[in-house]
Amino acid sequence: QVQLVQSGAEVKKPGASVEVSCKASGYTFTDYGISWVRQAPGQGLEWMGWISAYNGKTNYAQKFQGRVTMTTDTSTSTAHMELSSLISDDTAVYYCARDRGRQQLANCFDPWGQGTLLTVSS
Amino acid sequence: QSALTQPPSASGSPGQSVTVSCTGTSSDVGAYNYVSWYQHHPGKAPKLMIYDVSKRPSGVPDRFSGSKSGNTASLTVSGLQAEDEADYYCTSYAGSNNLVFGGGTKLTVL
Repeated sequence: QVQLVQSGAEVKKPGASVEVSCKASGYTFTDYGISWVRQAPGQGLEWMGWISAYNGKTNYAQKFQGRVTMTTDTSTSTAHMELSSLISDDTAVYYCARDRGRQQLANCFDPWGQGTLLTVSS
Repeated sequence: QSALTQPPSASGSPGQSVTVSCTGTSSDVGAYNYVSWYQHHPGKAPKLMIYDVSKRPSGVPDRFSGSKSGNTASLTVSGLQAEDEADYYCTSYAGSNNLVFGGGTKLTVL
């Protein structure tokens, strides 16, 4: 079955960077894109950006530009999201989701990974 | 982009129908037929319920339906069941490979 499995919880200090991984299985990785979405405690879902697993094209939400880097490794069918210069407000659950769009964001996220909790604290 | 506007809460009794609205602008909801709805039970991964305004993925009950008029999209849940109690989020494509989420609606089954 189609599945996205994310890396485990992380605890980071302010100013540090974090990388979350998302390993796909059950489908041809390069036929789809991957979006990253986060949810801070008590808040709603927030889209961070999208990457094409086909050609590596990325598009980041304006809020995260300059601080986020999304990559894919087609040899392992894994997507990675690195967020730098962490602050306490980055404490959230981070999700990856398969997007129908191969070369363009299609806003059709199915399925989602199980989520990765990032805690930023000194 | 600004977030799409959803009511914070909605409710209905079992068997009833409830509609959740999602208001955007002529640059997102009104411009594209790429509106999706996600169901989110706390602590679990969100689930796609509706995409392309009104299409249902396989496995989603036909009690869930979507529509759009102008800059407002809507999700209707008919024949409410206890398991429908969750948070619901709308999203819309906003051009140039950008996306905007709604603030979420907590649906309570009374």
